[in-house]
Amino acid sequence: NAGVMQNPRHLVRRRGQEARLRCSPMKGHSHVYWYRQLPEEGLKFMVYLQKENIIDESGMPKERFSAEFPKEGPSILRIQQVVRGDSAAYFCASSPGAGIMNTEAFFGQGTRLTVV
Amino acid sequence: DAKTTQPNSMESNEEEPVHLPCNHSTISGTDYIHWYRQLPSQGPEYVIHGLTSNVNNRMASLAIAEDRKSSTLILHRATLRDAAVYYCILRDNLASGTYKYIFGTGTRLKVLA
Repeated sequence: NAGVMQNPRHLVRRRGQEARLRCSPMKGHSHVYWYRQLPEEGLKFMVYLQKENIIDESGMPKERFSAEFPKEGPSILRIQQVVRGDSAAYFCASSPGAGIMNTEAFFGQGTRLTVV
Repeated sequence: DAKTTQPNSMESNEEEPVHLPCNHSTISGTDYIHWYRQLPSQGPEYVIHGLTSNVNNRMASLAIAEDRKSSTLILHRATLRDAAVYYCILRDNLASGTYKYIFGTGTRLKVLA
């Protein structure tokens, strides 16, 4: 059973370009979470999605950032018109479905975005 | 959001036990206490979680205070590979009945050879 897969592991973008980060959850998991980690800081919650639904996007910047988790395929975190401040490690986690309280989430290895 | 307080850093000698404390005085009755660790340049790794009773697994033990306002992660014999940032987390209960994690700053554990 493969773990949470994120790709690419490293992504370099010039200012103004778009960045697309992909996350394939563990098999059987229908919940996906995205986190951002700036250098030497903790993880900051961004968004929580179920298949085809955004459950909580309270940590997402209001502009340029969007996320989706389609019925088929991986979850995508999209950053438009990137700026240097977007340089960070972006982690995805997945967990089983709703109503299962006593479970843990599993994290991917992250995508390290560098904006030049 | 439920919050946790942890020391910024701790040191331990190799092969000795390590007790990592966490305070969570605002915990609610249904919040589970989760511990994750993050090794350099890697994603967070699940360690252990519990609700009221002490818990043991192959990685560690979790001791939860009777009033649940604090907990301690116990590594029985620290190795150099245990050097990481350890996060104590309370799952945030959303109105929908589903959950997310709110990470604090964690404790950076240094293991001395």
